[in-house]
Amino acid sequence: NAGVTQTPKFRVLKTGQSMTLLCAQDMNHEYMYWYRQDPGMGLRLIHYSVGEGTTAKGEVPDGYNVSRLKKQNFLLGLESAAPSQTSVYFCASSYSWGPDTQYFGPGTRLTVL
Amino acid sequence: AQSVTQLGSHVSVSEGALVLLRCNYSSSVPPYLFWYVQYPNQGLQLLLKYTTGATLVKGINGFEAEFKKSETSFHLTKPSAHMSDAAEYFCAVSDRVDRGSTLGRLYFGRGTQLTVWP
Repeated sequence: NAGVTQTPKFRVLKTGQSMTLLCAQDMNHEYMYWYRQDPGMGLRLIHYSVGEGTTAKGEVPDGYNVSRLKKQNFLLGLESAAPSQTSVYFCASSYSWGPDTQYFGPGTRLTVL
Repeated sequence: AQSVTQLGSHVSVSEGALVLLRCNYSSSVPPYLFWYVQYPNQGLQLLLKYTTGATLVKGINGFEAEFKKSETSFHLTKPSAHMSDAAEYFCAVSDRVDRGSTLGRLYFGRGTQLTVWP
């Protein structure tokens, strides 16, 4: 049982390049989330999904797109990376909402030059 | 939207001393309350959470937190700090009622970095 895994662990992009971050969970969770973590800001929700084929915007969705084609995978895309997107990205999943625990992946450290 | 305030971005204690990390939330309807810990270069893991029932909640590694409705607080404590407790701690809340597509969302505080001195 691997829990929540993220690929890649590190990435350096040039401004304007695109990339996709992959999140996978093996806990059969319905809900999946993408957060970004910046120093002194805590974690902020980018997008989330309440089930296969559904996605919704969080607090800071601009510049990102997501897809949930399979229940176990949640992809985060950057179409044209900007230096302001330099951050650590965390994926999380939960069985349901509210009191259910969110389980976090190890993170992806992204630098945009 | 929910607002979570963690007083003190950095807290330093000596090994064996009491750890107290403060968290206050803003909503009039008490939300679900969580404390997460993040060790260096790792993801977040749940320490403890309050959903209903007893207001004193015990978590992993000897930590506990008390929900105080009158103070809108959920402070985290540990009687005796250990070097291995050095990490960043995040308080988070989740709505009990739907405020318009907010169900399921976790709102995080800005975090408190705990340093433990030998």
